[in-house]
Parts: sequence; C-alpha cells; structure tokens
Amino acid sequence: AQSVAQPEDQVNVAEGNPLTVKCTYSVSGNPYLFWYVQYPNRGLQFLLKYITGDNLVKGSYGFEAEFNKSQTSFHLKKPSALVSDSALYFCAVRADLSGYSTLTFGKGTMLLVSP
Amino acid sequence: NAGVTQTPKFRILKIGQSMTLQCTQDMNHNYMYWYRQDPGMGLKLIYYSVGAGITDKGEVPNGYNVSRSTTEDFPLRLELAAPSQTSVYFCASSQDRVEGYTFGSGTRLTVV
Repeated sequence: AQSVAQPEDQVNVAEGNPLTVKCTYSVSGNPYLFWYVQYPNRGLQFLLKYITGDNLVKGSYGFEAEFNKSQTSFHLKKPSALVSDSALYFCAVRADLSGYSTLTFGKGTMLLVSP
Repeated sequence: NAGVTQTPKFRILKIGQSMTLQCTQDMNHNYMYWYRQDPGMGLKLIYYSVGAGITDKGEVPNGYNVSRSTTEDFPLRLELAAPSQTSVYFCASSQDRVEGYTFGSGTRLTVV
C-alpha cells in the first residue's frame, strides 16, 4: 500500500519570506511524486513532479521541491512567498511498478500568506 | 483546449434519488479517474479506467458505478443517493502512468 502524510494542516508565512510545505511518503519501490495546488472552488492544478534524476525539481510559479530518498520526503518550497500563493496544496505519490498504480493524495495543507 | 469538462457544477439530490455526473476529456488520454474530496480528508479514489471498456474500483467505490464506452467519456453513476455521498467530485485524466493528472473543475453534490 502507498500513502502520503502532510503533517501540517496549515502553514502561515509572511509575504516575502521563504515557505516550506512538508510531505512524506510510503511506497513499495521507486516513487513518482507530485505537488498540486487548489484555489477556492477550483480543481487541482499540477505544480511539479519528481520521476527520476535531480533531487531538486523546479515547477510552476517559482515553486520547487526536494526529493530525499533516505527521509522519504518531498517538501515543497519557494524562496519568497506571495499573497497569491495562498491556497490548498496536495502532495501525491504513485509507485513505479510494472503494473498500473493510481495516485494517492495527502490530506492537503492550507498555505496562508499574509501581506 | 477544453481539457477535462465536468457537468453539472452543482447539484442537490434527495435521499434515494439517482444521478449521473458527466466527465469528458478532449486530450485523447487513456487513463481517467473519479475522486471525491471531503474537508480535511484529501482526495479519495472512487473508480478509474485505463482505457475504453476497462474500469476498476478505487478506495471508496461503494454506492457508485462507472462505465467507459469511449476514450473521451467517463460518467459516474449514483444509484441511491445517501447523505454520506455529499462531497465534491473531481474527474481527472492522464496520458500515462508517469505524467500527472489533469483535473476537471469539480461537481459539488449535496444529498438531503
């Protein structure tokens, strides 16, 4: 079975400060890891993914994420937060298996960026 | 490019009623999914399909049915609506197992 944990229900940060949204995962085999963002009353939008290669992945809107295999983590980061980054963020994982596996999502972390 | 289109956007059902949530994608994606989103619970997979004519259960399939007669369409059927099915439903699609999902804008369903 695969699972994702987002230990923080909410993260508060001031505009201009760096932000981190945490994610840890559990999966058999190599993981495919994803971050999605959801704005109010909207569907989820893809931010970035890790499949293989460099542990630091860059994505949309200045976000990046660092894959750490030893800590089974995939934290989302941004050097300087914007008020418009305020949204619900989801981490997701699927296993790199010979068969087909679907994405498992975390419970989400609400990011609130204050002016 | 429309992507993934879901209809309706909102619906109120009475207990015991039935309805179909429509989902259409125009990206020729093989894989399609239905998730439900409940506050503080993240997204739970209801059903998914790896191609026309092939569907499989996800984590929370009870009370739902699906069909996939074409590549484009993946409707979700609720036969006897229950209050526990009050949720926001998202349809998604993907080209393959490596790519991420493209989500629709969701259907907010209330069962009273």
